[in-house]
Amino acid sequence: GAGVSQSPSNKVTEKGKDVELRCDPISGHTALYWYRQSLGQGLEFLIYFQGNSAPDKSGLPSDRFSAERTGGSVSTLTIQRTQQEDSAVYLCASSRFLSSGNTIYFGEGSWLTVV
Amino acid sequence: KNEVEQSPQNLTAQEGEFITINCSYSVGISALHWLQQHPGGGIVSLFMLSSGKKKHGRLIATINIQEKHSSLHITASHPRDSAVYICAVAQETSGSRLTFGEGTQLTVNP
Repeated sequence: GAGVSQSPSNKVTEKGKDVELRCDPISGHTALYWYRQSLGQGLEFLIYFQGNSAPDKSGLPSDRFSAERTGGSVSTLTIQRTQQEDSAVYLCASSRFLSSGNTIYFGEGSWLTVV
Repeated sequence: KNEVEQSPQNLTAQEGEFITINCSYSVGISALHWLQQHPGGGIVSLFMLSSGKKKHGRLIATINIQEKHSSLHITASHPRDSAVYICAVAQETSGSRLTFGEGTQLTVNP
């Protein structure tokens, strides 16, 4: 597609349930990033994928969070046993290679509300 | 102290004014990004800089690597420029991730 596509756009879930958020990066982009932004807060790095290399998971806040990227394209961010503090907008971004040298493109985000 | 600091945090301007948003960072970087976040949350990349100056329409971004400082300028501001502007750096030691400033909320009144 023309841009980074994320789904769902909005998700309301009950505390304790698992959620999956999907990201379709721009075709040909080997780098994919997940960030989140809580209400009134700045952007927070979660995880980064680059080609077939092991992902940089250093930003994941707990072991309830995991992400995978299948076939070097689509990525899924999974949050298990959701908590209210997980409520945030989860943003996916992609770039051709490392963000240090290329423009980074963001999706519209998935707004997660845990009630 | 945050590794990336922006100023001001909030800025209100009248249509037509020249606007400057500043970003200072304390780490070695390989690149600096200026991002624009619209009220709905969507984020657009405005510039990616590693040196010098870039211009796109009414937007100008400059970076001084020695002083670890970047500025984003908006000429002839317009209400549609109202958004949050975010400075983000790609650190030399962790090129895979961006470190973000807190953002500058710009409101341009007609």
